[in-house]
Amino acid sequence: QQKVQQSPESLIVPEGGMASLNCTSSDRNVDYFWWYRQHSGKSPKMLMSIFSNGEKEEGRFTVHLNKASLHTSLHIRDSQPSDSALYLCAASTGNTGKLIFGLGTTLQVQP
Amino acid sequence: NAGVIQTPRHKVTGKGQEATLWCEPISGHSAVFWYRQTIVQGLEFLTYFRNQAPIDDSGMPKERFSAQMPNQSHSTLKIQSTQPQDSAVYLCASSLGWGETLYFGSGTRLTVL
Repeated sequence: QQKVQQSPESLIVPEGGMASLNCTSSDRNVDYFWWYRQHSGKSPKMLMSIFSNGEKEEGRFTVHLNKASLHTSLHIRDSQPSDSALYLCAASTGNTGKLIFGLGTTLQVQP
Repeated sequence: NAGVIQTPRHKVTGKGQEATLWCEPISGHSAVFWYRQTIVQGLEFLTYFRNQAPIDDSGMPKERFSAQMPNQSHSTLKIQSTQPQDSAVYLCASSLGWGETLYFGSGTRLTVL
């Protein structure tokens, strides 16, 4: 069973719409969360990271973290066709440094 | 900065042959990770090094996979007696240190016939 679970598996939103992606860890030792984006045929690139409870915003992207429930979410407002990609959530623990990835959410933004 | 460099980009082997994959991390990065990616299993952790020392190889199939980092400028992943289920994209990543952002290479697509 995946220790990092993402939902939904796939998501279609219209251009200009809001995309909301979810991620939960089943490992109680996790304390860092990361969001990576992978365009088709490319390698993953870090989008945002969050370590503290609450919210973090960077441009059109907002990430939330609830450490008690080990749940993080990524929200993309004013979605663009160029946002179409596989979004990977990863979790790590403070004492290991390795990232464990979920299976990802495939986002398609329709013009 | 050329980023993380992986060679070869593509490798095709016959069942039972050996495959060696190479990775050159970003200069100055002390942590090097190996992952493999398939549609079914997603991005799976294999192993990682910090300051060239092996830290965690819990994701490595022990019998046929081995990884080394002989110096700070390159790491290798060797797969002996390759099997069709080893077919995947193998990704190397490096980071400045523990807890820092991972920067991935372009990957090596391994196909075992």
